[in-house]
Amino acid sequence: AAGVIQSPRHLIKEKRETATLKCYPIPRHDTVYWYQQGPGQDPQFLISFYEKMQSDKGSIPDRFSAQQFSDYHSELNMSSLELGDSALYFCASSLGNRDSYGYTFGSGTRLTVV
Amino acid sequence: AQSVTQLDSQVPVFEEAPVELRCNYSSSVSVYLFWYVQYPNQGLQLLLKYLSGSTLVKGINGFEAEFNKSQTSFHLRKPSVHISDTAEYFCALKTSYDKVIFGPGTSLSVIP
Repeated sequence: AAGVIQSPRHLIKEKRETATLKCYPIPRHDTVYWYQQGPGQDPQFLISFYEKMQSDKGSIPDRFSAQQFSDYHSELNMSSLELGDSALYFCASSLGNRDSYGYTFGSGTRLTVV
Repeated sequence: AQSVTQLDSQVPVFEEAPVELRCNYSSSVSVYLFWYVQYPNQGLQLLLKYLSGSTLVKGINGFEAEFNKSQTSFHLRKPSVHISDTAEYFCALKTSYDKVIFGPGTSLSVIP
């Protein structure tokens, strides 16, 4: 079965650079969630989109922005990168924002800021 | 606001021994509960979920969990662990129209 696809799998950037992470949800899923998982930490919710509109916002820095496109894929844009942004970034998708069946997560993008 | 507590940050257990990973939650509304597993350097995989009905939920890889509403708990159990079960385990909850919230995680180490 098709899963959530994230790209790239690994990304190395220097401080103050910009990074773009992409997420392709499971076909027909219209809701996308972004999480950040720092080393040894639990995933922290960043932002979500439902039908291409922002549906919820968590602890996402102002330097980050995201959007969901007409084909439901989503991109997380991160500017002025800091060392503390080094983390595993997960995307998850669901059918509708009331989905009670849990998320399907992608394998994540590991961002390393040097 | 909802929250998830995992009382044990690390659980070492010998191979073929039983294990229980504890999870408690707080919520003023009905919740859906989940356990996710994360193997080293990998993504999050859903182990099992409780939505409604039977309080004993069976998941993949021989794991099961029991929902206890009075104790607001959702402990994960396995009668006999294997080396391959070494991983990080996250308890999580969700309410309708809301995002999934994760607990801090429990690191399970299976000792040969």
